[in-house]
Amino acid sequence: DGGITQSPKYLFRKEGQNVTLSCEQNLNHDAMYWYRQDPGQGLRLIYYSQIVNDFQKGDIAEGYSVSREKKESFPLTVTSAQKNPTAFYLCASSMEDRGWNNEQFFGPGTRLTVL
Amino acid sequence: DAKTTQPTSMDCAEGRAANLPCNHSTISGNEYVYWYRQIHSQGPQYIIHGLKNNETNEMASLIITEDRKSSTLILPHATLRDTAVYYCIVRVWGGTSYGKLTFGQGTILTVHP
Repeated sequence: DGGITQSPKYLFRKEGQNVTLSCEQNLNHDAMYWYRQDPGQGLRLIYYSQIVNDFQKGDIAEGYSVSREKKESFPLTVTSAQKNPTAFYLCASSMEDRGWNNEQFFGPGTRLTVL
Repeated sequence: DAKTTQPTSMDCAEGRAANLPCNHSTISGNEYVYWYRQIHSQGPQYIIHGLKNNETNEMASLIITEDRKSSTLILPHATLRDTAVYYCIVRVWGGTSYGKLTFGQGTILTVHP
């Protein structure tokens, strides 16, 4: 089945540790995105990538880093510089970023809790 | 992208039509109206989008007013599984904010038996 996978579903880390969240897609999509969602709030864009080896900061990129070495993969690292890392993290992909029919497909999310 | 305004919550009886309004009075000519929904603790799911004509697919219908300042998402026969947060999003096609979806707080739709 085609889709987006994120692992793990729940993740716990100690304060001050970096942590990397996985996002893989087998939809052959060019564009991929990372969003953060806090309780009762909408999604906010962290980073996005339109093509392999290229990515752009979103609205709240501080304290995060990404890489896009392969088309299928877009891992997100939450660094110790991120002041409030506890949140629900969602990865998404779309076929072609500038097309009019480019609906975004979302993964199941990773809930990160920093203790 | 234009800001949208949605009611915080709505109720609907199972089997009835659910009509979810969205106000986007500052929408520009090249901005589309998108609807997504999010079931608790899951990723958002795309529902439908449109520019100025009414649109229908297997999930829902989208009615956009002639002046494009508001729209309504219609779920024709709501089921309990339609209980979710519904987001109305206005975004530019081909503008500088490629791919960006600006999510507000959405409408919590609760479908009752």
